[in-house]
Amino acid sequence: SYKLTQPPSVSVSPGQTASIACSGDKLGDKYVCWYQQKAGQSPVVVIFEDTKRPSGIPERFSGSNSGNTATLIISGTQAIDEADYYCQAWESSSHVAFGGGTKLTVL
Amino acid sequence: QVQLVESGGGLVKPGGSLRLSCAASGFRFSDYYMAWIRQAPGQGLEWVSHMSSSGSTIHYTESVKGRFTISRDNDKKSLSLQMISLRVEDTAVYYCARSALQRGFDLWGQGTLVTVSS
Repeated sequence: SYKLTQPPSVSVSPGQTASIACSGDKLGDKYVCWYQQKAGQSPVVVIFEDTKRPSGIPERFSGSNSGNTATLIISGTQAIDEADYYCQAWESSSHVAFGGGTKLTVL
Repeated sequence: QVQLVESGGGLVKPGGSLRLSCAASGFRFSDYYMAWIRQAPGQGLEWVSHMSSSGSTIHYTESVKGRFTISRDNDKKSLSLQMISLRVEDTAVYYCARSALQRGFDLWGQGTLVTVSS
């Protein structure tokens, strides 16, 4: 099965830029989505098709995907951005892969 | 209101069975692929199964093949997951999610907890 790898944790100071990486074999050839999950809540998609933001998601969220790595970037990180973040891609037309998740701490 | 509401979770013994349901409202259910995604306590997200809008295409993660069955009723706007031969490692919050394919899972329910324990 297709494996997506994320760092378990990332820390960032308020107002700074947070980057969360997601790696997988030839990941750049696939579309990647990113989900934010706050404590006790259901996940919410914050980036889809590598770089696109759903309506209602702040502009400070952006994404990129090339080679074997996709990256979620949060510019001007705020305390409310503290959450777990998951990358996701379609392994094939039939299976879905999620990364293991990254806990973002804003301190 | 656009939402998904799961039900049917609970405590079951290893080897037991459970049926989860998901009621959709506020959108054209029959237009969308639908999926079940689970999250073990303190762990990450794991895709379990999904079904095409018509029900003609179904896929499962390897660990549940032969034990879980996904189904849908487009007239009733509902999605189900029949689970048999449950194992301790199936313990998780099970989410119903709407799939917009490469646009991701764009609508999630609140989840229902399944606990498999003796």
